[in-house]
Formats: sequence, structure tokens, C-alpha cells
Amino acid sequence: SQTIHQWPATLVQPVGSPLSLECTVEGTSNPNLYWYRQAAGRGLQLLFYSVGIGQISSEVPQNLSASRPQDRQFILSSKKLLLSDSGFYLCAWSTGNEQPQHFGDGTRLSIL
Amino acid sequence: GQQLNQSPQSMFIQEGEDVSMNCTSSSIFNTWLWYKQDPGEGPVLLIALYKAGELTSNGRLTAQFGITRKDSFLNISASIPSDVGIYFCAGFNAGNNRKLIWGLGTSLAVNP
Repeated sequence: SQTIHQWPATLVQPVGSPLSLECTVEGTSNPNLYWYRQAAGRGLQLLFYSVGIGQISSEVPQNLSASRPQDRQFILSSKKLLLSDSGFYLCAWSTGNEQPQHFGDGTRLSIL
Repeated sequence: GQQLNQSPQSMFIQEGEDVSMNCTSSSIFNTWLWYKQDPGEGPVLLIALYKAGELTSNGRLTAQFGITRKDSFLNISASIPSDVGIYFCAGFNAGNNRKLIWGLGTSLAVNP
């Protein structure tokens, strides 16, 4: 069966520090991968999606970037975090376009 | 970005009661999905609907894909305390099969 792992579960970072959140999927090949941010426990905002290695689509201009160095690995990064980057970050995968997405347990990011 | 109109925004019910929530859109959708999110976790897929008029059950949950393809509803029968959480509708509209469009969620509280 397929599983998705996200880490860390919780992260507290100072303003201006770098960020790296990692997500890996097991039990499937060539998945679509997604990064979402959820503010205040409601409303999921799509940040990035990827349909293959090295292929990244950005949905909103921001202080974040994403990379997919391997088929089942998706990384969310920032060079310098802003206070507004605080939130709950969720990684998800699907078997392809127009297919249900399956989520990891999320990373709670707090910027001080 | 586009969002689905999900209602009600919140519900507070007694254990054993039935629950109904719905989602509407101004555009036609090809797929409707219903998710549940527990605090501090990622959304979990409950039901997926792929065809207009389709009615699908998952235990005490039943969801329908509206015949106009612009709405969907989720019913929960005989609610129990573990039904507490936020329920999200989501879907793929006919114009974009890569980006999942989300409702803002229905927060459900169950009084034992």
C-alpha cells in the first residue's frame, strides 16, 4: 500500500532563517506531488505541484520554492523565512491528474 | 483563486443526529471529493464521486454528485463523537484537471 511521510511534524524558526521540509511517498511510481499551506485550520492553498522529476509548477508567487530531486521526494524550501510563512504545510500525492489526493500529516511551522 | 461554496460553515449537533452539508459551484465539475480533517493532521479522503447523479456510501457516510454537475452533498447518519472534525469538499472542474478546487470546510461538533 502507498504511504506518505512528512517531516518534521513541528518546526520553530527565526525570521530570516532558511527552511527545508521534506516529503516522501512509498508504494507508487511517478506520482503527482503537491505542497499546500493551510492557515488558521481552514482553507487549503495550493503552493506547488509536480508531475515528474524536476518539473515544478508554482501556483502563487511567494517566498518559497519547491524541488523534486527524485521520483518520490518533494522538498519545500526558503532561503529567508518571513513571519507570514507561518502555517500548516501539507504534502500530498495522487496517481495522476484529476485523481484524489492523499495527504501527509503536515508540518506546523512557526516563525518567531 | 476559485473556491467552492461550502455550507454550513459550522454545526453543533447531538450524538445520534443526522448531518447534511453541501458544496456548490458556478462551473461544471468532473469529480467531487469529500475529506475529513482531524486537528493537527492532514485531510483524509472519505468519498470520491466521478459521475453526475452518482450516490456513494462509506459506512454511515453518503455523498452524491449533483445531476447539474455543479453541486455535491455529504450526509452523516447517526453521528458519534469521533465524527468531530472539519469536512472539506473538493473537486476538479471541467477546465482544469490538475488543480483541485477546495471548499472552506464545515466544522462539526458532536455533543455526547
